[in-house]
Amino acid sequence: KAGVTQTPRYLIKTRGQQVTLSCSPISGHRSVSWYQQTPGQGLQFLFEYFSETQRNKGNFPGRFSGRQFSNSRSEMNVSTLELGDSALYLCASSLEGQSYGYTFGSGTRLTVV
Amino acid sequence: GDSVTQMEGPVTLSEEAFLTINCTYTATGYPSLFWYVQYPGEGLQLLLKATKADDKGSNKGFEATYRKETTSFHLEKGSVQVSDSAVYFCALKSGANSKLTFGKGITLSVRP
Repeated sequence: KAGVTQTPRYLIKTRGQQVTLSCSPISGHRSVSWYQQTPGQGLQFLFEYFSETQRNKGNFPGRFSGRQFSNSRSEMNVSTLELGDSALYLCASSLEGQSYGYTFGSGTRLTVV
Repeated sequence: GDSVTQMEGPVTLSEEAFLTINCTYTATGYPSLFWYVQYPGEGLQLLLKATKADDKGSNKGFEATYRKETTSFHLEKGSVQVSDSAVYFCALKSGANSKLTFGKGITLSVRP
C-alpha cells in the first residue's frame, strides 16, 4: 500500500516568488492536512481539507492557501515568499473519524533565499 | 481550545535505561490520544494510540496508558536502544472533524 507522497522533496526559492507543493494521500483517505515545521515554532497546523472543502484552518496569513481535488490529492501554495517561510512542510492523510491518526509524508523542505 | 503539553527536553539516556516522557492534555469531550516519532530527515510516524480511557497503546516496546482522571498519556519504554534516538510528539484528536493537535515534541538521544 503506497504511503503519502509529497513532491518535491527539496525546493529553493527566492524571496518574493511563489511556490506550489503537492501531496498524494493514501488511497481511500479523504482527509488531507498540512503542517509547517520549524526549529523555533515546532509543528504548526496550516489547514485541513475533506472532500475538496477546507474544514479547518490554522493561524497563517492569507499568503498560504491550499486546495483539494476530487481524487483527494492536495496542493498548497505560498505566495510572495518570505525568508521566514523556510521550513519543512508536512502533508498527512487520514480516514474519517476521531480514532484515526494521520499518516504523514516525508515532507517538502523549502528554503527561501 | 485543545492543547497538549509535553515535558521539556532534550532527554539523554544511556542504552538500556528506562524511559518516561510526560504528556498531559486539555480537550473538550473525550479525545483520542497518539504518540508520533520523527527520525532525522523524515516525516512523522504513528508510534501508538489509545482511543478511550484506560486503553493502553503499545508498539516496538513503547507503551502509553490513557488516564482520563489525570488527563495524561505518558510514554514509557523499559529499555531504550540507540535506534530510539528521535523526536517524540504527543497529540490528540477531539471529534471526528477535528484536526490533530500536537505538543512541542521532545528530542531523545540514547548513548551506547
